Amino acid sequence: DAGITQSPRHKVTETGTPVTLRCHQTENHRYMYWYRQDPGHGLRLIHYSYGVKDTDKGEVSDGYSVSRSKTEDFLLTLESATSSQTSVYFCATNLGTNTEAFFGQGTRLTVV
Amino acid sequence: DAKTTQPNSMESNEEEPVHLPCNHSTISGTDYIHWYRQLPSQGPEYVIHGLTSNVNNRMASLAIAEDRKSSTLILHRATLRDAAVYYCILNKRTGNQFYFGTGTSLTVIP
Repeated sequence: DAGITQSPRHKVTETGTPVTLRCHQTENHRYMYWYRQDPGHGLRLIHYSYGVKDTDKGEVSDGYSVSRSKTEDFLLTLESATSSQTSVYFCATNLGTNTEAFFGQGTRLTVV
Repeated sequence: DAKTTQPNSMESNEEEPVHLPCNHSTISGTDYIHWYRQLPSQGPEYVIHGLTSNVNNRMASLAIAEDRKSSTLILHRATLRDAAVYYCILNKRTGNQFYFGTGTSLTVIP
């Protein structure tokens, strides 16, 4: 295992509440990513980070924000959760171009 | 974003070779081709990657077309543990992003 921990692993929250998911890595990888996985869509990139305080949007970033204040932590925040954000969220890390990516075990988020 | 196209599902008999195809006609010259697989209730797991030349590792082989618009993942002898969803991904060098397609669900028949 690449030392990636996602927390929480499961969460149920109400519509309109803020939610923060945490990804913690012990590999000192430069790049970190947040994906969501829904039936029929595979994994879709939400946001990614290419260094401390350096982040950029992915393909489905609306309604999400991220922060990376330390190399090891990448936070995904849903400012006001909606039912359409019910999904399984995966974090990934990568040392750099031409290297493999490592994925966490996922966080199952349900917005009711 | 760079997308790939794969068949939704494939079947293979146990201990036979499996060839999983992928089309990536929008690939640019600096994009790497990665393959990952995902078992139920787990995160994706790295299988193999390459740029232009064919690649081999202990898990699989990757055959890349000369024009790089398609590739094939080869599992030399399928086992029941190889049953998973296999994703072909383009890794963009600019930004180092990984864009997934919908993947191929592989069923291995005993």
